[in-house]
Amino acid sequence: KAGVTQTPRYLIKTRGQQVTLSCSPISGHRSVSWYQQTPGQGLQFLFEYFSETQRNKGNFPGRFSGRQFSNSRSEMNVSTLELGDSALYLCASSFLTPMNTEAFFGQGTRLTVV
Amino acid sequence: SQKIEQNSEALNIQEGKTATLTCNYTNYSPAYLQWYRQDPGRGPVFLLLIRENEKEKRKERLKVTFDTTLKQSLFHITASQPADSATYLCALETGANNLFFGTGTRLTVIP
Repeated sequence: KAGVTQTPRYLIKTRGQQVTLSCSPISGHRSVSWYQQTPGQGLQFLFEYFSETQRNKGNFPGRFSGRQFSNSRSEMNVSTLELGDSALYLCASSFLTPMNTEAFFGQGTRLTVV
Repeated sequence: SQKIEQNSEALNIQEGKTATLTCNYTNYSPAYLQWYRQDPGRGPVFLLLIRENEKEKRKERLKVTFDTTLKQSLFHITASQPADSATYLCALETGANNLFFGTGTRLTVIP
């Protein structure tokens, strides 16, 4: 079965712009989590969605938002981009929850803010 | 808040030896602990999950232990191969539908 698909793979944006990243989970998976990965901080949790509802949110400013559609596909949006938002953004899908089952990660979207 | 320490940022070992990676955590005691492998430029790949009531879990050349008293998990790769070179991440469930990741240990297996 197809894995987790993230688009686009690479993005270059200018400070102040906004960006939308997309994630298509594995078919049948209803939980989608988003993480930001930087060399200094490692993988940091952004938010998790299940059946179109945000169940949990990490410690990120309100410029970071997301949503999930009825087909479980998810998007995350970052507004008013800052240089520090440059990172690899990873999406992970799980059947019901990533807590007690494996999470399947996509290849990520590499965002560069200039 | 939860904190994870993975023994070292980088670990070099000789091919054929056993690599042992450490994951120590503080505060919240997770019911589940997971290990992932990440190659450069790619997303993490799940390796093993261990429950708090399991002392040890094995999968081929991989072995994970979970000591809830010490708040520590050990991850072993036996008969290591250069293809095992990667970054290995420890992840804890937080009770809130998300995983908390350590910063990882970069393992290099030298031929």
